[in-house]
Amino acid sequence: EVQLLESGGGLVQPGGSLRLSCAASGFSFSSYWMSWVRQAPGKGLEWVANIKRDASEKYYLGSVKGRFTISRANAWNSLYLDMSSLRAEDTAVYYCARLVDTPMLHYFEYWGQGTLVTVSS
Amino acid sequence: DIQMTQSPSSLSASVGDRVTITCRASQSISNFLNWYQQKPGKAPKVLIYAVSSLQSGVPSRFSGSGSGTDFTLTISSLQPEDFATYYCQQSYSTPLTFGQGTKLEIK
Repeated sequence: EVQLLESGGGLVQPGGSLRLSCAASGFSFSSYWMSWVRQAPGKGLEWVANIKRDASEKYYLGSVKGRFTISRANAWNSLYLDMSSLRAEDTAVYYCARLVDTPMLHYFEYWGQGTLVTVSS
Repeated sequence: DIQMTQSPSSLSASVGDRVTITCRASQSISNFLNWYQQKPGKAPKVLIYAVSSLQSGVPSRFSGSGSGTDFTLTISSLQPEDFATYYCQQSYSTPLTFGQGTKLEIK
């Protein structure tokens, strides 16, 4: 069974930093692109970042570029999101998601349960 | 960036009704259109990928159609468990973008 378990969320002051982790199990982690998607309270879904199987390619939402870094440790079946210079508008539930990525298919196949990040003084 | 616009934003319907949700992209996205269902306090779940392919385990009352810029999600006969929020999402180019959501409520 595919499982994605996020951790690391919490309350952080504006300008602060936080590292989110996602522990993957039940599949060959190194064979899949992975993503972070967030959802502000009461709002819709917003893609944040993607990372290729071997971490050779990374893509970011414009508003987080330069502040957030996606990374992975395939030996540990883990995905990370390092967030710095946090702003109030980064407050959201952050989901880890596994991507289906082929030449003709590209979608979020599995999702974790999410971890809440609150940026507030 | 490709903008995704769903309509309606909310919808009241009854069990057994046929419901259609539309999604329009700001430019052609070929068939890179996916639909997700989200229930309160839960993670989204993929229903349909590549416009019309049903994800494994999803009931056949869900279907998708469209091409280019205009797409639809249809639920042929609403069941109590279908009351949720639905999102379309384009995977044609980054940034990957979602529609604003359609909240399906019980009439």
